[in-house]
Amino acid sequence: EADIYQTPRYLVIGTGKKITLECSQTMGHDKMYWYQQDPGMELHLIHYSYGVNSTEKGDLSSESTVSRIRTEHFPLTLESARPSHTSQYLCASSGGQAQWGYTFGSGTRLTVV
Amino acid sequence: SQKIEQNSEALNIQEGKTATLTCNYTNYSPAYLQWYRQDPGRGPVFLLLIRENEKEKRKERLKVTFDTTLKQSLFHITASQPADSATYLCALDMDSSYKLIFGSGTRLLVRP
Repeated sequence: EADIYQTPRYLVIGTGKKITLECSQTMGHDKMYWYQQDPGMELHLIHYSYGVNSTEKGDLSSESTVSRIRTEHFPLTLESARPSHTSQYLCASSGGQAQWGYTFGSGTRLTVV
Repeated sequence: SQKIEQNSEALNIQEGKTATLTCNYTNYSPAYLQWYRQDPGRGPVFLLLIRENEKEKRKERLKVTFDTTLKQSLFHITASQPADSATYLCALDMDSSYKLIFGSGTRLLVRP
């Protein structure tokens, strides 16, 4: 059973709109991550957080922003969506013990038209 | 630059055979390496972790090896089944900072 939830699963939106992708986990994990993945390509880390009020940018430059006001919630926001933002966005969390790996959500497939 | 390489060509095998997938990396000295399974349109699912001081790790039909000299990990699925068909990703924490870098994955197709 997935303990990390992403909404919406699919989103088609017009250029210039502001969007927020939701990610919540019920495992009490301190560490949370956002990855971007295009079809057939590797996951690229765009944001991460090690705890409440901690956010950092990842290795792939992104125009999105994130916040971490509560442990369980790590939303991603695009202030003005563009077609270049079309991609799959995957949220993950980790309890910090490497042997358990990351737990991923099912992803949000975003299409900007 | 740091790089993780997985065979981009799909691996197509007959049910019951052993599938072997390869993960090579450069410019890292990772403390551990992880393997994930990803189905189309879904997030990756964690399978196994192997540490730098472990040569081999097993879990049911899965076996992972880790050669830090060759900078390579091999992922084996024995007695493969059509349900094993998926993309398999390897991932490294390049600087023990709890940030995983992923390879692009190898797609496995198991024919009945």
